[in-house]
Amino acid sequence: GAVVSQHPSWVICKSGTSVKIECRSLDFQATTMFWYRQFPKQSLMLMATSNEGSKATYEQGVEKDKFLINHASLTLSTLTVTSAHPEDSSFYICSARDVRGKGNQPQHFGDGTRLSIL
Amino acid sequence: GQNIDQPTEMTATEGAIVQINCTYQTSGFNGLFWYQQHAGEAPTFLSYNVLDGLEEKGRFSSFLSRSKGYSYLLLKELQMKDSASYLCAVRDSNYQLIWGAGTKLIIKP
Repeated sequence: GAVVSQHPSWVICKSGTSVKIECRSLDFQATTMFWYRQFPKQSLMLMATSNEGSKATYEQGVEKDKFLINHASLTLSTLTVTSAHPEDSSFYICSARDVRGKGNQPQHFGDGTRLSIL
Repeated sequence: GQNIDQPTEMTATEGAIVQINCTYQTSGFNGLFWYQQHAGEAPTFLSYNVLDGLEEKGRFSSFLSRSKGYSYLLLKELQMKDSASYLCAVRDSNYQLIWGAGTKLIIKP
């Protein structure tokens, strides 16, 4: 089946550090990738939609200068949390949509990245 | 606005049956999805409904009524490993997924 690889799975770093998270679709091409954030005991919150070769579309309230998204190819999107602070600590999950269309499983999820800022 | 409602938490007994309801109001409809999410993990796909009726997949079944904006996920023969959050999501007219807040299911022995 379709696989999305997300790396790293766990990051602990100091306040002020920038952290890059990679999301790769391993056996399909993804024109669109999604980045979610999930705080403990809360639902998924869509941060941005990343389209290959164009600028990402950010949800209201998400700072595009702080959460840099690059979708340079059909199999890779990256999220960089710049100058991270403790309040950015969260579970970040990416998902990818197969170019083959609008089938019965619209998004394939990565395993998530747990980010802890000290 | 777009809205998906599901109970925050439910408790059931091992071996029993539980039904998790989901109601939705969205801009268009192109399918409803149920995902399972264990704590600290990413969601995994369970089921998909686009036409009215019941879809059965092993111990899990999902039902949809488009006229009522309603779905449920039915879990039979509950096992302890079924303890998780269950997320209802609707694909709208723009083919975007609208997520519910999730239902935390607690299974007791």
